[in-house]
Amino acid sequence: EAGVTQSPTHLIKTRGQQATLRCSPISGHTSVYWYQQALGLGLQFLLWYDEGEERNRGNFPPRFSGRQFPNYSSELNVNALELEDSALYLCASSPGTTQETQYFGPGTRLLVL
Amino acid sequence: AQSVTQPDIHITVSEGASLELRCNYSYGATPYLFWYVQSPGQGLQLLLKYFSGDTLVQGIKGFEAEFKRSQSSFNLRKPSVHWSDAAEYFCAVAPITNAGKSTFGDGTTLTVKP
Repeated sequence: EAGVTQSPTHLIKTRGQQATLRCSPISGHTSVYWYQQALGLGLQFLLWYDEGEERNRGNFPPRFSGRQFPNYSSELNVNALELEDSALYLCASSPGTTQETQYFGPGTRLLVL
Repeated sequence: AQSVTQPDIHITVSEGASLELRCNYSYGATPYLFWYVQSPGQGLQLLLKYFSGDTLVQGIKGFEAEFKRSQSSFNLRKPSVHWSDAAEYFCAVAPITNAGKSTFGDGTTLTVKP
């Protein structure tokens, strides 16, 4: 069974640009979570989608947004990039709202210059 | 609000020695508890989880963790550390009633000396 996949693996952008990160959950999983892991910091919860709806949002500005598609894959969009957005962005999936175990992808490393 | 504290930022142990990584949580009821491991540049891999039942939980790679309600702790242990265990370890807590609200600790970096 394929695990959570993320693309691209690395992304380099300049300040002010927009970045789009993609995540495909494990087959059968309906929930997708996004986390930011900046250098030297822990995991900061960004967004949670389930069944196409945004269920919860972390303490991030509105320029961080996303969506979940009918096939349960997800996109994270970061607008007006700032230098401090440079981080590893991790996606995780779980079978649904009653299952708490999250399975993580390898991440997308975003570098903002 | 729930919170997770991993008091040790960095731990160094010798290969073959025993290991204990500490995790304390704050939550009004018994939550779901997890330990994850992250190798450099990689995503997180689930080591073990506690939902209910036996308070001593066995995980992969020879790890175990014990849930102690009275101490609000969920410490991770391994009797004999291997060099390949060098990584960062994260403890996480999630409320039983509200999926998606997982909170992670800041992590403990494990260095293994030969």
